[in-house]
Amino acid sequence: NAGVTQTPKFQVLKTGQSMTLQCAQDMNHNSMYWYRQDPGMGLRLIYYSASEGTTDKGEVPNGYNVSRLNKREFSLRLESAAPSQTSVYFCASSVNRWEQFFGPGTRLTVL
Amino acid sequence: DAKTTQPTSMDCAEGRAANLPCNHSTISGNEYVYWYRQIHSQGPQYIIHGLKNNETNEMASLIITEDRKSSTLILPHATLRDTAVYYCIVTRGNKLVFGAGTILRVKS
Repeated sequence: NAGVTQTPKFQVLKTGQSMTLQCAQDMNHNSMYWYRQDPGMGLRLIYYSASEGTTDKGEVPNGYNVSRLNKREFSLRLESAAPSQTSVYFCASSVNRWEQFFGPGTRLTVL
Repeated sequence: DAKTTQPTSMDCAEGRAANLPCNHSTISGNEYVYWYRQIHSQGPQYIIHGLKNNETNEMASLIITEDRKSSTLILPHATLRDTAVYYCIVTRGNKLVFGAGTILRVKS
């Protein structure tokens, strides 16, 4: 039981490049989330998916798109990366409203 | 969601109880208090949550004042591995809003 896994762990992009961050969970959770964490700050919600086939914007959705591919997988895409998107990205999943399980994070640098 | 206020940092001696306060004076009746922590470079970890009653689990205790305007997270016997940023979050839904949290340093 791996919990929440994220790939890649590290990534460096040039401004304007695109990439997709992958997230998968093996706990059969309905809800999945994407957060970003800038240095010295708390996490901010980018997008979430309450169930397979649904997605909704969070606090900071601009510049991102998401896909809930199936119940296990929730991907985050940056179509044209900007230096302001340099951050650590965390994926999470939950079966109820109380407890979210977080992945190890993807550290993204945009030059 | 109600705003929370936490001290920036706290120190605690190893083996002693760590008491982390949180003010949420604008909390509404259907909002819950959640606590998460984040150990350096890792994803956050759920600790405990409560509505109005005090709660205890294997990790910690949560004491909520009768007027619900503040709460305290108690780690009964802090260890060096409890050094982390602790977040107090108040929300009625499942969208968590993380503030800056409290940096707890447990010292030997």
